Amino acid sequence: QVQLVQSGAEVKQPGASVRISCKTSGYTLTRYHMHWIRHVPGQGPEWMGIINSGGGGSRYAQRFQGRLTLIRDTSTSTDYLELSGLKSEDTAVYYCAKDFSWGFDYWGQGTPVTVSS
Amino acid sequence: QSALTQPASVSGSPGQSIAISCTGTNTDIGGYNYVSWYQRHPGKSPKRIISEVTNRPSGVSDRFSISKSGNTASLTITGLRPEDEAEYFCVSYSSDDTWLFGGGTKLTVL
Repeated sequence: QVQLVQSGAEVKQPGASVRISCKTSGYTLTRYHMHWIRHVPGQGPEWMGIINSGGGGSRYAQRFQGRLTLIRDTSTSTDYLELSGLKSEDTAVYYCAKDFSWGFDYWGQGTPVTVSS
Repeated sequence: QSALTQPASVSGSPGQSIAISCTGTNTDIGGYNYVSWYQRHPGKSPKRIISEVTNRPSGVSDRFSISKSGNTASLTITGLRPEDEAEYFCVSYSSDDTWLFGGGTKLTVL
């Protein structure tokens, strides 16, 4: 069955970078795009970006341009999110979510990221 | 503030029906048939329950249905059950090639 297993919780200082992994199984990674979404407590979820099925391209929400990088490692069926220049406002739970017909059919379990000095 | 507007909370008694609205604009909900709805129980990952394109995934009850009028989409749940108590949020594709989320609605089954 399809599984998306994310890396564990992170605590970072302001200005640092974070890298979150999303290990996939149960399907062919290169046949589907992957979205990244974050959920700040008390707010609605927020779409961050998408990496294309082949891993050759990605697109980011404007507010993350310049700080966000999505990476696909087809050899290990793992996607990665890298977010730099962390601020306290980046404290959130980050999710990878498999693309399906203009939505998301499977989600990772979420990775809490806390940004605090 | 989320791009799509949902009520913060709704409630209903077991067996009743409720509807959750999701309002956007003609560049997202009103411009495409790409609205989907997700359910999230506390501490769990979101689960897709229905979408305009693919309707309900296998295993999701036909008590869940969707409709749309103009820039507002709605999720209706009939025959409420205690296990329906969760947070529900809507998502729509947008003309700027991004995906927009609602703020989420907490459903309480009284």
